[in-house]
Amino acid sequence: DAKTTQPPSMDCAEGRAANLPCNHSTISGNEYVYWYRQIHSQGPQYIIHGLKNNETNEMASLIITEDRKSSTLILPHATLRDTAVYYCIVRVGTGGFKTIFGAGTRLFVKA
Amino acid sequence: DTAVSQTPKYLVTQMGNDKSIKCEQNLGHDTMYWYKQDSKKFLKIMFSYNNKELIINETVPNRFSPKSPDKAHLNLHINSLELGDSAVYFCASSQDPGIREAFFGQGTRLTVV
Repeated sequence: DAKTTQPPSMDCAEGRAANLPCNHSTISGNEYVYWYRQIHSQGPQYIIHGLKNNETNEMASLIITEDRKSSTLILPHATLRDTAVYYCIVRVGTGGFKTIFGAGTRLFVKA
Repeated sequence: DTAVSQTPKYLVTQMGNDKSIKCEQNLGHDTMYWYKQDSKKFLKIMFSYNNKELIINETVPNRFSPKSPDKAHLNLHINSLELGDSAVYFCASSQDPGIREAFFGQGTRLTVV
């Protein structure tokens, strides 16, 4: 799986959009971008994934650059409950979810 | 009704003991996983089963052995526990080994003393 780089931490004001960047410059054509988050010591929670098109669901939007070397997870209206560690993961779409979750970005949403 | 459930949630045991962690998923998924989260919070894959067949077997000590009695269950047995085995262990499942996302349990915090 391709390596990803994320900022270690970010702050966001409650009610504002949180934009979390991820760099995956070595991504290959058959690798997908996934985002998960981990709130305190709970199990990781799936947020969204995509291949090359932008994606949106009830939790967030995923913007992938045209060259696919980076992506941004957007939480449109962050709440205090969105405070968590966010992981950007790149993996091929076969063989099982055997990726390593790295350090991620610790997002602090402040009132 | 919890989708992926692990028991126990906390486990404190002495070095040298043998222990098991159980995992059950009620999502009808074919694929299940065990991950280990170390003190640096990195989450690493250990094993995966698809339809009761082992498909991922990362480099872990052979003291760790997964067992899948059926598609809905994947248990983790650990023999001769060592201090370094202390970590949080997460079970997960996905519909198949393809692009579908994985759903995680709440974790088992293992402390070896």
